[in-house]
Amino acid sequence: QKEVEQNSGPLSVPEGAIASLNCTYSDRVSQSFFWYRQYSGKSPELIMSIYSNGDKEDGRFTAQLNKASQYVSLLIRDSQPSDSATYLCAVKVTSGTYKYIFGTGTRLKVLA
Amino acid sequence: EAQVTQNPRYLITVTGKKLTVTCSQNMNHEYMSWYRQDPGLGLRQIYYSMNVEVTDKGDVPEGYKVSRKEKRNFPLILESPSPNQTSLYFCASSRDGGGYEQYFGPGTRLTVT
Repeated sequence: QKEVEQNSGPLSVPEGAIASLNCTYSDRVSQSFFWYRQYSGKSPELIMSIYSNGDKEDGRFTAQLNKASQYVSLLIRDSQPSDSATYLCAVKVTSGTYKYIFGTGTRLKVLA
Repeated sequence: EAQVTQNPRYLITVTGKKLTVTCSQNMNHEYMSWYRQDPGLGLRQIYYSMNVEVTDKGDVPEGYKVSRKEKRNFPLILESPSPNQTSLYFCASSRDGGGYEQYFGPGTRLTVT
C-alpha cells in the first residue's frame, strides 16, 4: 500500500462545476497536509496547507482533513479551464524522520 | 523576489561523468530538499537537510550525494550518473522541518545517455 494515494484520473468536470479531489494516507504520524498544483513541465505550486481536522477555505478552494479516516480532500468551486492541471497531495511525516511524501497526483481537466 | 533557483535547467550527459546541480534559496529557510519526478511514480524525495549541520536520506538516495555548507545552497551531486537517473529534478525549501509548506525551484531536466 502506498503511503499517500490519489486517483490518477483524469477527472473531467465542466466549466463552473465543483471539482472534488481526494487523497488517502497510510497510518503514520502525519503532521501537515498540502495540496499543490502542477502544470505540465512546471514546478509544483502550493494551493493550500491544512494542519487540523475540518475545513479550510481560500477563495475557490476548500481543503478538508479527516485524520480519523486518514483522508484529505480538495474542492475547487466554479472550476475554470485554467484549473486544468495535476494536483498533488503531500503529507509531512514526523515519525523519526522529516520527510515529505507525495501522492502521484490527480489530473484534472476542466471542459469549456 | 523570494525564490528557489536551480542550475542548469536542462542537462544532457553521458554515463559516468560526474555532475552537480545547484540549488539556492533567498528566503533564509532552514529546510531544503531534493526530489525527482518520474511518470507514474510522482515526486520522490532524494535527500533533505534540516539545517547546515544535518542532512538525511529521503526515499531514493542511492546514487546521489548532497552538501549543505551554507544555509542558502544545497547542491545535488551525481558522482557517476547512470541512465536510470534520467528524470526531472526539483529543489525545494521550507521555513524549517516543522511541517511548513515547501517552495519549489523551476526544475532541472536531466538526461543520461
